[in-house]
Amino acid sequence: DIQMTQSPSTLSASIGDRVTITCRASQSISSWLAWYQQKPGKAPKLLIYKASSLESGVPLRFSGSGSGTEFTLTISSLQPDDFATYYCQQYNSYPYTFGQGTKLEIK
Amino acid sequence: QLQLQESGPGLVKPLETLSLTCTVSGGSISSSSYYWGWIRQPPGKGLEWIGSMYYSGSTYYNPSLKSRATISVDTSKNQFSLKLSPVTAADTAVYYCARQDIHGSGSYSYWGQGTLVTVSS
Repeated sequence: DIQMTQSPSTLSASIGDRVTITCRASQSISSWLAWYQQKPGKAPKLLIYKASSLESGVPLRFSGSGSGTEFTLTISSLQPDDFATYYCQQYNSYPYTFGQGTKLEIK
Repeated sequence: QLQLQESGPGLVKPLETLSLTCTVSGGSISSSSYYWGWIRQPPGKGLEWIGSMYYSGSTYYNPSLKSRATISVDTSKNQFSLKLSPVTAADTAVYYCARQDIHGSGSYSYWGQGTLVTVSS
């Protein structure tokens, strides 16, 4: 199985901050990586697919980059609605695997 | 607008069978453009992929479930289902069904709201 490791596990930030979350794969997954946002009691929401493509309707402040084994999700200017937990997921090969999550908290 | 809705018992006894159904509305489950999957999330923990199926019946499972999972489709009802047997307390989780877009994003762009299944006697 491909292991996905996110860092940090928790991130404290303020409104307007630029934040970056990192996801590392245990082997190359090319660009087959997605990022999801999840709020308490809700289903995950797709933000980024194929490592850097923005899902329709997702604000432009979200961006993704990387390929191979190193990936990042960047929020350029944090808004109140962005405080949530973020997960990366590889879909290069079965079984699909998720990172352990990064909880973005208000500082 | 595509919608997915999970349904099934919220409480299952240990060693019995967990059975859930995902009803798809606003789109056809028989489309060649999608895979249909199940993902779960234990309370307070992260996401775990359970498995996926194609409308033709092809299935893929997470080996961590040790062959306990079965995903099937009923195209006449536009539904797909998950059976997990036998269950233990470790299978207590919110279960989500989701659609994977093969030709577009390649990832899970539509999710059901999730249903909590508790395994307890």
